[in-house]
Amino acid sequence: SQWGEENLQALSIQEGEDVTMNCSYKTYTTVVQWYRQKSGKGPAQLILIRSNEREKRSGRLRATLDTSSQSSSLSITGTLATDTAVYFCATRGTNSAGNKLTFGIGTRVLVRP
Amino acid sequence: GPKVLQIPSHQIIDMGQMVTLNCDPVSNHLYFYWYKQILGQQMEFLVNFYNGKVMEKSKLFKDQFSVERPDGSYFTLKIQPTALEDSAVYFCASSFGTGDERLFFGHGTKLSVL
Repeated sequence: SQWGEENLQALSIQEGEDVTMNCSYKTYTTVVQWYRQKSGKGPAQLILIRSNEREKRSGRLRATLDTSSQSSSLSITGTLATDTAVYFCATRGTNSAGNKLTFGIGTRVLVRP
Repeated sequence: GPKVLQIPSHQIIDMGQMVTLNCDPVSNHLYFYWYKQILGQQMEFLVNFYNGKVMEKSKLFKDQFSVERPDGSYFTLKIQPTALEDSAVYFCASSFGTGDERLFFGHGTKLSVL
């Protein structure tokens, strides 16, 4: 399996708070992508961080990557109710010929208004 | 932004029947994918497709599954015959290239096999 042992996490926070979610992966990857999936929709990419980067920021988003521990995190500052979604990290193995992305279990985030 | 369209949004069929799920990918994209998701769980890779050929497929891509994109039309996933365990939401995605390319996903087709 691409992933470490983990269950779907669920977080409930108040609007305005910050939230951080984590994922860990087993096999080597050159890039970690974070996707957000809102109810009834397909995933949409939020941010991408490469193996030679430790941190990447985009607006209220901050992604980190630790290749030594094979883990990544996604933080959202000043959450909004519209941030309510399931967040997935996804990796691409070096042996993937066709850009196969493997998704993690996901973190369900509920932002209460 | 670029959109991937999936038709229909919901399909209900009897076990053993054939079903075809249709995907209209982003117009200039070259790589196409199908993922399966059961009840809000993990997105599971089924297959990717480029230049008329399957590039990679997972164990979930059973012999009853097939994909094609005839003459630049819809990218389709056909299941023949269907089984109860095929009930899930199927997401189509496309990307322009490989490497670090982001995938653009459709809204999914919910398949209910009775």
